[in-house]
Amino acid sequence: GAVVSQHPSWVICKSGTSVKIECRSLDFQATTMFWYRQFPKQSLMLMATSNEGSKATYEQGVEKDKFLINHASLTLSTLTVTSAHPEDSSFYICSARDSGRADTQYFGPGTRLTVL
Amino acid sequence: AQSVTQPDIHITVSEGASLELRCNYSYGATPYLFWYVQSPGQGLQLLLKYFSGDTLVQGIKGFEAEFKRSQSSFNLRKPSVHWSDAAEYFCAVGPPTGTASKLTFGTGTRLQVTL
Repeated sequence: GAVVSQHPSWVICKSGTSVKIECRSLDFQATTMFWYRQFPKQSLMLMATSNEGSKATYEQGVEKDKFLINHASLTLSTLTVTSAHPEDSSFYICSARDSGRADTQYFGPGTRLTVL
Repeated sequence: AQSVTQPDIHITVSEGASLELRCNYSYGATPYLFWYVQSPGQGLQLLLKYFSGDTLVQGIKGFEAEFKRSQSSFNLRKPSVHWSDAAEYFCAVGPPTGTASKLTFGTGTRLQVTL
C-alpha cells in the first residue's frame, strides 16, 4: 500500500518550453502533497506544499510563477516548470501524505528533467 | 532554523558486518525524526520514524535507530548488512507535531556493501 507514482520518469526539453510533471497517490487519498528538488549528490530541498483545492505554499526563494503547482483532486498534484532553462535541470520528487493518517510522507520515484 | 547533519558522505562495509549511520539535528524542540532509504529508480522508502515513547525504534528490513536527546542524535543501525542494503540513506526531521510536514533532510550517506 501507500504507493505514489510520478510521470514522466524523465523528460528532456528545449529551453523556453514548459514541462508538466504529475504526481499521483495510487491507493490512498492525499489532502497534502509536497514537491522537492534534488541536485546531484545533494539532499532534497522542499519547494512547496500543495493542498487539495487551495493554493500551494512555496518555500522561500522558490519562484511561484516559474513552478506552478495544481492540486485539483485528492490523488493528483501537478508541477509545471514554465519557460524552463538549463538551470532548472534537476531531479524533482513528490510526496503525499495520507489524509487518514498524517504521520508519514510517501515518496514518488522522481522525475529527471533535462533542459537543453 | 532546523538542520540535519549526516557527517558520513560515503560508507563501505562488508556484507555481514554491522552498520551505524550517524544523524545529528538542530531544532528548537524534539522534532519528528525519520530515516529514509533511496535506491536508484525508486522513491524514498521509509525505514522508521520517531515521535515519542521508546527511544529505540525498530523499522523495516532489520534496521533500528536510537534517539538520544542529550546528543541531538538519531543514529541508524543494523547488526548484519546485506548486499541489497547498498543505497543512499537520508535522515530527516519534521515539526514536533506528529504530522509529517515540511521535512528537512540531511545530505545523505551512500552505503556501499562489499561481498
